[in-house]
Amino acid sequence: GAGVSQTPSNKVTEKGKYVELRCDPISGHTALYWYRQSLGQGPEFLIYFQGTGAADDSGLPNDRFFAVRPEGSVSTLKIQRTERGDSAVYLCASSYSLGSGEQFFGPGTRLTVL
Amino acid sequence: QQPVQSPQAVILREGEDAVINCSSSKALYSVHWYRQKHGEAPVFLMILLKGGEQKGHEKISASFNEKKQQSSLYLTASQLSYSGTYFCGTVTSGGGADGLTFGKGTHLIIQP
Repeated sequence: GAGVSQTPSNKVTEKGKYVELRCDPISGHTALYWYRQSLGQGPEFLIYFQGTGAADDSGLPNDRFFAVRPEGSVSTLKIQRTERGDSAVYLCASSYSLGSGEQFFGPGTRLTVL
Repeated sequence: QQPVQSPQAVILREGEDAVINCSSSKALYSVHWYRQKHGEAPVFLMILLKGGEQKGHEKISASFNEKKQQSSLYLTASQLSYSGTYFCGTVTSGGGADGLTFGKGTHLIIQP
């Protein structure tokens, strides 16, 4: 079956602009996670949804970052007033249910802020 | 707090064995192992849960020492396809689906 998909695959924007990154999880997966990965580092947790609600948003770096999952499937990560330090690969992952453990990662969106 | 992985990098000949370690300063609920090739998404290898349960692939083994808050990944008879960066991700709270805290990774290079 289809895996986790993310769009766009690459996004180049200018400092101060607003961007939206989309994640389409595996069908039937209720848990959805956002991570970001900088060069040479492991993924860094941002936020996790169980269904439509954000169960844990403790990893969001500041209030410029926001994520939604209105219907419990597709999620959008929104970044306002982008800064050069936001440049990274943003990874989305999904898992079947709470406690299932295995997270399936999407290919990521490479965000470059000029 | 980020788990510490060792070694940072290792170079092997095809067929040799390797051990990658992951250590945490906090009590762990679970340890997850992933492999990532350059430019690709992390791929799940194994999860080890407090209490001894394991889920993963047949050709990969791992251990989880709850008292020492450590896990080790064992790669035996390495193949060229094993090359990549290995990450451990940890969950320190009681839920199994919390966001993972990843280490900085161990770079594994397998030479023919």
